[in-house]
Amino acid sequence: EDQVTQSPEALRLQEGESSSLNCSYTVSGLRGLFWYRQDPGKGPEFLFTLYSAGEEKEKERLKATLTKKESFLHITAPKPEDSATYLCALTQGGSEKLVFGKGTKLTVNP
Amino acid sequence: DGGITQSPKYLFRKEGQNVTLSCEQNLNHDAMYWYRQDPGQGLRLIYYSQIVNDFQKGDIAEGYSVSREKKESFPLTVTSAQKNPTAFYLCASSIDPPGREYRDREDIQYFGAGTRLSVL
Repeated sequence: EDQVTQSPEALRLQEGESSSLNCSYTVSGLRGLFWYRQDPGKGPEFLFTLYSAGEEKEKERLKATLTKKESFLHITAPKPEDSATYLCALTQGGSEKLVFGKGTKLTVNP
Repeated sequence: DGGITQSPKYLFRKEGQNVTLSCEQNLNHDAMYWYRQDPGQGLRLIYYSQIVNDFQKGDIAEGYSVSREKKESFPLTVTSAQKNPTAFYLCASSIDPPGREYRDREDIQYFGAGTRLSVL
C-alpha cells in the first residue's frame, strides 16, 4: 500500500483556471510534508515544507495547506509556465527517509 | 553559486560494465542521497549518507555501491549486478538527515539536475 498518494495523476487547465492538487498520506507521526516541482529532464525543485496541521505557505500563484490526512497545493490563475510535475513527499518520526508520491503532471494551456 | 552538480548528464552502459555517476555539492551539507526515478513511479531511495565514511542502504540498494570519502562528494556506482539500470538518477543533499531533531528547514533535500542512464 502506498504511503503517499497524489491525485489526479494528470491535470489539464486553461490559463487562469484555478485548481488544486491533492496529496494524501497514511503514515502516523508525520514530521514534515514537502512539495517539489519537476520540469522534464530536470531535478526536483523545492517549493514548500509544512510541519503541522493547519499550516499554510504561499509563493506567487501557489499555496500549500496541510491537514492530518492530506495536503493540497492550490494553484491560482495558473500560467503556461506553471506546467510541470508536482511531487509530494514526507518524513515521519524515527525514519531517515523521504517518501515520495508518484506526482501530478500539470499542463496549463494558453 | 552553491549547488549540487551531477555528471555526466547522459551515460550509456554496456552489458557487464560498471559505471560511476558523480555527485558533488558545495552547500556544506552533511547528508547526501541517491534516488532512482522511473516513469510512473515515485523517487526511490538507493543509498544515503549522513556523515563522511558512513552510508546506509535505502529501499533498492541491490546492484549499486557508493562511497563517501569527502563531505562534498557521494559517487554512485551502478554495477553489472543491476539488471535493469535504465533510469533517471538523482542526487540530493540536506543540512541534516530527516528523523533527527532539527531546526526549521534543515531537513529539506535539494536536488541536482540528474543523470540519465541507458543500456547499449
